[in-house]
Amino acid sequence: AQKVTQAQTEISVVEKEDVTLDCVYETRDTTYYLFWYKQPPSGELVFLIRRNSFDEQNEISGRYSWNFQKSTSSFNFTITASQVVDSAVYFCALSEWNFNKFYFGSGTKLNVKP
Amino acid sequence: KAGVTQTPRYLIKTRGQQVTLSCSPISGHRSVSWYQQTPGQGLQFLFEYFSETQRNKGNFPGRFSGRQFSNSRSEMNVSTLELGDSALYLCASKEGSPNTEAFFGQGTRLTVV
Repeated sequence: AQKVTQAQTEISVVEKEDVTLDCVYETRDTTYYLFWYKQPPSGELVFLIRRNSFDEQNEISGRYSWNFQKSTSSFNFTITASQVVDSAVYFCALSEWNFNKFYFGSGTKLNVKP
Repeated sequence: KAGVTQTPRYLIKTRGQQVTLSCSPISGHRSVSWYQQTPGQGLQFLFEYFSETQRNKGNFPGRFSGRQFSNSRSEMNVSTLELGDSALYLCASKEGSPNTEAFFGQGTRLTVV
């Protein structure tokens, strides 16, 4: 069965601090995709990144970086020099090879204080 | 390019009533999925439609149903509403083939009183 665990329910940091959001997943599939989405108060889920199970390269995009480790079934997300605008709920998700269904973690609420 | 549009944004219904929510996907996208988000259960998959056919279904009772029209617009219906159906209902749109991104709408906030 597919499962995504985000153990951190809520994190509070002060602006400019670095913060890492943890994500652990379970799947028996060999081909799968991992995602991070951001949910601001307005409600929509904003796509941040997708990785496939064959690509363990870490990725950096501006202040965002992702660390994918199949050995520990983890796909962690780091925000460097956090900003107030980063405050949101962040979801990690897993999908099967055909992308047609997401399994979401419970989300981590990030509060960035000025 | 317009995003995913969900209507209405907010809805208040009484227990026992039924409700229909609408989702207009991004132009050219043929797959529409629906998710229910509640504080207790988080984000849960309801169903997915592709070219007017239900392709995947989550673990929800038969009171939850959906359909997709030839223009890819989708509706979901919940009959005999219960208090526990109060949730944010999100719709996701994608092209339909593997390895393409899913884009979400802002959701419909349903409150059952």
